[in-house]
Amino acid sequence: DAGVTQSPTHLIKTRGQHVTLRCSPISGHKSVSWYQQVLGQGPQFIFQYYEKEERGRGNFPDRFSARQFPNYSSELNVNALLLGDSALYLCASSGHGQMNTEAFFGQGTRLTVV
Amino acid sequence: QQQVKQSPQSLIVQKGGISIINCAYENTAFDYFPWYQQFPGKGPALLIAIRPDVSEKKEGRFTISFNKSAKQFSLHIMDSQPGDSATYFCAASHTGNQFYFGTGTSLTVIP
Repeated sequence: DAGVTQSPTHLIKTRGQHVTLRCSPISGHKSVSWYQQVLGQGPQFIFQYYEKEERGRGNFPDRFSARQFPNYSSELNVNALLLGDSALYLCASSGHGQMNTEAFFGQGTRLTVV
Repeated sequence: QQQVKQSPQSLIVQKGGISIINCAYENTAFDYFPWYQQFPGKGPALLIAIRPDVSEKKEGRFTISFNKSAKQFSLHIMDSQPGDSATYFCAASHTGNQFYFGTGTSLTVIP
């Protein structure tokens, strides 16, 4: 079975640009969460989606947005990129109900803002 | 505010030794406590997890000890191997919602 897949794996953007990151969850998983991991730190929660609805939002500015599609894949969008947005962006999928707690992470998208 | 505090920041252990990483939390609503292992350039991989209704869980060489009254939990890696060299994160969540991660422990196992 395929795990969580994220694309692209690496990305370089210029300040002020917009970026879209994509995630495909494990087959059958309905919950997708996004995390930002700055070098040397633990992942920080950005969003959780379950059954295409936003179920949680972390302490991130409105420049960050996300959505989940009918096939449960998800996109994370970041507008007006800042140098501080440079990080590893992780997608995690969870099992067959919102209360299923095991979360499996993808390999991440390394975003560099220059 | 750091919801989950992790220590030590780094750890060096001889091959065959025991690695111990500690975490503490404040929110008593947390009901799920996983540990993740992360290699450079990779996403975190779920290693082992525990719920607060048990005090210990063992899977192979990995054991979680949980102290509900102290709001602390720890990861023990028995017979540590060079392949265990990675960064380890503890985390906590309430009903599978957002995970709060510790700051990570960089483990180096010396052959």
